[in-house]
Amino acid sequence: NAGVMQNPRHLVRRRGQEARLRCSPMKGHSHVYWYRQLPEEGLKFMVYLQKENIIDESGMPKERFSAEFPKEGPSILRIQQVVRGDSAAYFCASSPPRTGVGNTIYFGEGSWLTVV
Amino acid sequence: AQSVTQLDSQVPVFEEAPVELRCNYSSSVSVYLFWYVQYPNQGLQLLLKYLSGSTLVKGINGFEAEFNKSQTSFHLRKPSVHISDTAEYFCAVSVHQGAQKLVFGQGTRLTINP
Repeated sequence: NAGVMQNPRHLVRRRGQEARLRCSPMKGHSHVYWYRQLPEEGLKFMVYLQKENIIDESGMPKERFSAEFPKEGPSILRIQQVVRGDSAAYFCASSPPRTGVGNTIYFGEGSWLTVV
Repeated sequence: AQSVTQLDSQVPVFEEAPVELRCNYSSSVSVYLFWYVQYPNQGLQLLLKYLSGSTLVKGINGFEAEFNKSQTSFHLRKPSVHISDTAEYFCAVSVHQGAQKLVFGQGTRLTINP
């Protein structure tokens, strides 16, 4: 899973600022997923993207959060006007183009966002 | 909707003792089941998965899990733990065939005491 690269690993933002988290999937992977882990909780699905398309954003908060996966470059999870409740670990995962039944998805090491 | 319940939030055991981490799921359709391990400040690593076939699944680091459809359970076991097994363990289910949208349990913190 070391192949999924996330940066920054740690990010501190003041309330009201913007946070941008980046994810480069494993080589050859065109599907990207973002999950959020709040303190003392399990991971919660946020969004599933393919190149230039959002496939499933059912787990994204309605406001302030957006995600993209452009044709070139990493996937970006953007949080506008951060609040203390956004403090969490954000994990990116990726899978190959032909995602079949039970195919493993590979997680990055996470980006820890702290809002002060 | 699917859900996953990990019955124990913390499990302390002594080194070389056996351990079982419990996981129950709820779903009206067939599911695929996974166990992940998370070491401190790291991402998730797949331990094992159940897709079909034999209900006893063997994974990495000596772990195994048994799928029990009638009890909707997928408990994780290891016959003899090591200090290095200290970590958070997550059970997850997936019902999507075209995408890997996982529903995770809340995790079980396994602490190994010498």
